[in-house]
Amino acid sequence: GAGVSQTPSNKVTEKGKYVELRCDPISGHTALYWYRQSLGQGPEFLIYFQGTGAADDSGLPNDRFFAVRPEGSVSTLKIQRTERGDSAVYLCASSFSSGATDTQYFGPGTRLTVL
Amino acid sequence: GNSVTQMEGPVTLSEEAFLTINCTYTATGYPSLFWYVQYPGEGLQLLLKATKADDKGSNKGFEATYRKETTSFHLEKGSVQVSDSAVYFCALRNTGNQFYFGTGTSLTVIP
Repeated sequence: GAGVSQTPSNKVTEKGKYVELRCDPISGHTALYWYRQSLGQGPEFLIYFQGTGAADDSGLPNDRFFAVRPEGSVSTLKIQRTERGDSAVYLCASSFSSGATDTQYFGPGTRLTVL
Repeated sequence: GNSVTQMEGPVTLSEEAFLTINCTYTATGYPSLFWYVQYPGEGLQLLLKATKADDKGSNKGFEATYRKETTSFHLEKGSVQVSDSAVYFCALRNTGNQFYFGTGTSLTVIP
């Protein structure tokens, strides 16, 4: 694949529903990152994976948010009992590894709207 | 803690004008510093980076120097073009591999 892909590109849901957002990283990239970008703000770190394990999940705002990467490639960000404040663009990025000089490549994002 | 503060926009310049977008940071340890760019309708792309003090990152005519003494990483370009119109984000990566982004500065270059 050419770059990082994210699906869906747009998701509209109702308050209280459960949503899953998917990220397909660049093939061979071991590190994967999730960010949330609210309107007029920069991306806010949520979690990053090195391989299958979550190396740092300190940015997840609360226990309604969870992410997995079971085979070390595709990752899914899961949000339970969505709230209107969860509305944002969710960005995924991947890099070859998590070294200091590795470049992150971003996907186009999933725009989540909670009504 | 870790944070990035960048110049608020929007910034509007005429073609061939000089550009500076200020960025300062607060970090524990020795972060790496980045500028990302988001062109209209596209995702974030790395523009340039610097991994240690006094390093200069450069790309596409843009430059930024990692200044530890002033905790700054200002973005500059000597002569902007219409195609440089985009939103620019300053970011740092700390030693724990967490990234912190500024709020972004929108640049519009008019012919």
